[in-house]
Amino acid sequence: QSALTQPASVSGSPGQSITISCTATSSDVGDNNYVSWYQQHPDKAPKLLIYDGVIRPSGVSGRFSGSKSGNTASLTISGLQADDEAHYYCSSSVNSHSLDFGGGTKLTVL
Amino acid sequence: QVQLQESGPRLVKPSETLSLTCNVSGSSLSSGYFWAWIRQPPGKGLAWIGSIYHSGTTYYNPSLKSRVTISFDTSKNQFSLKLDSVTAADTAVYYCARAPRFFDWFSYDSWGQGALVTVSA
Repeated sequence: QSALTQPASVSGSPGQSITISCTATSSDVGDNNYVSWYQQHPDKAPKLLIYDGVIRPSGVSGRFSGSKSGNTASLTISGLQADDEAHYYCSSSVNSHSLDFGGGTKLTVL
Repeated sequence: QVQLQESGPRLVKPSETLSLTCNVSGSSLSSGYFWAWIRQPPGKGLAWIGSIYHSGTTYYNPSLKSRVTISFDTSKNQFSLKLDSVTAADTAVYYCARAPRFFDWFSYDSWGQGALVTVSA
């Protein structure tokens, strides 16, 4: 069972903004800045959207942004587009030598 | 640009060893990156298996540590995964991946296409 909890699903209309949360059951997320976010379309490999909680890799749209408050990290997608419909996963170090993923959130663009 | 490709048997019998290789091009395994194996059971979420550094340092998921070995073959620019005593619960798409910068093992920005491995008699 994952130590990181995400909502099973979220939805939004084109042009809107949505936020996906990732809450740690322990102090993992709160104690470190090593939260990452991934987007995964069906039958595709995951794509890194955010690392170190807030950094976008080169080539990732500025519509994706990360933040953290206490034990909860968040991914915000602004200006929703149809192609944003996908599963989203957070990950974080669990201790100094282990990595955990959240259960994933399915985003539906209405 | 780095490219990764998983290879190996796609069908493994229960109690046997799952073996996969990640062929890497465009990046040397001897550089300062971490390399990882991550899996995804059909219809389920991602699960980290373990990571390896060019020095040979490895980190494993505690739930799999007793059964997993990740190693390098630097002469072939490949790294491999061995998972012992598999059961149906190990059926998954297995991805190999590389971290985006030196010394980082918490995130992965380059991924293989994935290999579906089925455990069945």
